[in-house]
Amino acid sequence: DTGVSQDPRHKITKRGQNVTFRCDPISEHNRLYWYRQTLGQGPEFLTYFQNEAQLEKSRLLSDRFSAERPKGSFSTLEIQRTEQGDSAMYLCASSSDLGRGTSGLYEQYFGPGTRLTVT
Amino acid sequence: AQSVTQLGSHVSVSEGALVLLRCNYSSSVPPYLFWYVQYPNQGLQLLLKYTSAATLVKGINGFEAEFKKSETSFHLTKPSAHMSDAAEYFCAVRFNFGNEKLTFGTGTRLTIIP
Repeated sequence: DTGVSQDPRHKITKRGQNVTFRCDPISEHNRLYWYRQTLGQGPEFLTYFQNEAQLEKSRLLSDRFSAERPKGSFSTLEIQRTEQGDSAMYLCASSSDLGRGTSGLYEQYFGPGTRLTVT
Repeated sequence: AQSVTQLGSHVSVSEGALVLLRCNYSSSVPPYLFWYVQYPNQGLQLLLKYTSAATLVKGINGFEAEFKKSETSFHLTKPSAHMSDAAEYFCAVRFNFGNEKLTFGTGTRLTIIP
């Protein structure tokens, strides 16, 4: 179990450019989440997948944002026409529903994040 | 509206002293509750979770938290602070079964004074 990995760890881009981030979840996890964390704030939910299906999207996920998980394994988050307000840490997490019991609780395991700076 | 509140964005304690980090939530139904820790330039690590069983939950690194339904609180404590506890701590709540997202508080930065 190597944990959740994210690439790149840091990205600096100019306003208006497109960027894409990748997340590799823990191998047996079928659920994958994206969160955004700005300075001094807690993470905010963006979207989540169960296998390859995107089941929920936050209102924070504007039309410029798109996430995919084509084969139910890794996921990508793309931001088009970046704005300075997009500067944040983008966190990926994964979980498994195989541990469902009376609580139906799924622990989310987080990756190290991708820090985006838009200049 | 469902929300999570962490009182105190910065907390400083002396090494060896009690650590108390506060978390309150607003919900008519008891949710699932978590504490995460974040070290600089790292992701979040789960400290402990409340699963609707025992109200006193023990986690890693000597931390524990008590769920109090009447106070809608889930405060994090550690009897004796260690220098390595210096980090950012986040309370997170999963409000609805079947709704997978976590709602996080704004975090508390814990500083340990030698």
